[in-house]
Amino acid sequence: DGGITQSPKYLFRKEGQNVTLSCEQNLNHDAMYWYRQDPGQGLRLIYYSQIVNDFQKGDIAEGYSVSREKKESFPLTVTSAQKNPTAFYLCASSGTGGAYEQYFGPGTRLTVT
Amino acid sequence: GNSVTQMEGPVTLSEEAFLTINCTYTATGYPSLFWYVQYPGEGLQLLLKATKADDKGSNKGFEATYRKETTSFHLEKGSVQVSDSAVYFCALSYDSNYQLIWGAGTKLIIKP
Repeated sequence: DGGITQSPKYLFRKEGQNVTLSCEQNLNHDAMYWYRQDPGQGLRLIYYSQIVNDFQKGDIAEGYSVSREKKESFPLTVTSAQKNPTAFYLCASSGTGGAYEQYFGPGTRLTVT
Repeated sequence: GNSVTQMEGPVTLSEEAFLTINCTYTATGYPSLFWYVQYPGEGLQLLLKATKADDKGSNKGFEATYRKETTSFHLEKGSVQVSDSAVYFCALSYDSNYQLIWGAGTKLIIKP
């Protein structure tokens, strides 16, 4: 089955620690995205990547970092510089042709205390 | 710039009622339009899409028609079920860098 996996589903960290969220896709998509969603809110774009070894900042990149060393993988690191890291994080991917619809993973809920 | 505006929620309906969730957009050119659904605690799922004017997207009883003259893409369903309770997002494609522009989401609550 093709799709996007995110792990873990729930993640707990202490304040001041960096944490890396995993995102893997087997859809052969070139583009991948990270979004943040706060309770009752919409989606905010953190980072996106259109091709391996290249990525761009989204609207709220401060305090986050990413890498794109493989087409299938786009991990997100939430650093200690992110002031309010507790949120629901969604990874998505899309092809670079057609309508560019995005396909989403199940999300990771990060709680920092 | 490009933008998407959705009707504010929550929208509360009784089971078997007719549903409309309004979505209007501002965009240059000819974007593709999408509706996504998010069930509690889950990721978003593509519900339907339309890629050109007058196209009708449909899936699971939901429909939306791409109306260029009114720049709208309203989501409709003839008879909703409790299981349709979710948050619905309208979005448009941003053709220069594969991004989507998202509406704020509309929470739908269906009461039995």
